[in-house]
Amino acid sequence: AQKVTQAQTEISVVEKEDVTLDCVYETRDTTYYLFWYKQPPSGELVFLIRRNSFDEQNEISGRYSWNFQKSTSSFNFTITASQVVDSAVYFCALSGDGSSSNTGKLIFGQGTTLQVKP
Amino acid sequence: DAGVTQSPTHLIKTRGQQVTLRCSPKSGHDTVSWYQQALGQGPQFIFQYYEEEERQRGNFPDRFSGHQFPNYSSELNVNALLLGDSALYLCASSPWSGEGYTFGSGTRLTVV
Repeated sequence: AQKVTQAQTEISVVEKEDVTLDCVYETRDTTYYLFWYKQPPSGELVFLIRRNSFDEQNEISGRYSWNFQKSTSSFNFTITASQVVDSAVYFCALSGDGSSSNTGKLIFGQGTTLQVKP
Repeated sequence: DAGVTQSPTHLIKTRGQQVTLRCSPKSGHDTVSWYQQALGQGPQFIFQYYEEEERQRGNFPDRFSGHQFPNYSSELNVNALLLGDSALYLCASSPWSGEGYTFGSGTRLTVV
C-alpha cells in the first residue's frame, strides 16, 4: 500500500528563518512521482514540484529547495529566508507513473501548517 | 489558458439530499480525478475518470458516483448525504500519464 507521512503537524517560525518540512513515503512501485503542493486559505492546491523516482538530484528554485533521498524514502522541502506569504498548509504527495496501477491516484500526507510570523 | 474550473464554489444541502458537483479540466488534459478534503486533513482520492470510464476508485461508498463527458468535463454525484460528507471537494485534471496534476479551487459542501 502507498502511504505518505508528514510528521510535523504545525511549524511556526519568524520571518527570515529557514524551515524544513519533512515527508516520508512508502510504496511498492519501482518508479513513481513525488509532489509538493501549497494550500493557501483560499483552498486551491498550488503545485510546487514534481520529482520522478529515478531522478535523485536535489532541486533548487529560488528560496525553495527539495532533498530527495530514495534510500530513506524521504522527500523534504526547505524554505530559505521564510516570508509571511509562505504561511500556508503544505502537502507532500505520491503517485504511480504511467507504468503503475497507482497512476492517476495521488496519495497525500496529512499536511504541515506553516506559520511565518513577521 | 484556463485552469481547472469547479462549480459551484459553495453549497449547503440537507442530510439525505443528493448533490452534483461539476469540473472542467485544464485545456489539453483528458483525465479527471476527484478528492475529498475534510477539515484539517489531506485530500483523499475518490475516483478517476479517463475516456468516460471510471479507472480507479478510492475507499468511498457507492453513494459517490461520477461521470465524464466527451469534452473531458466531469461530475461528482453524492446521494443520501450524511453530515460526514461535509468537506472541500477538489477536482484535479492531468494527462493520462499522470505527469502533472492541476487542481481547481474546490467546492465547499456543507451538509446540515
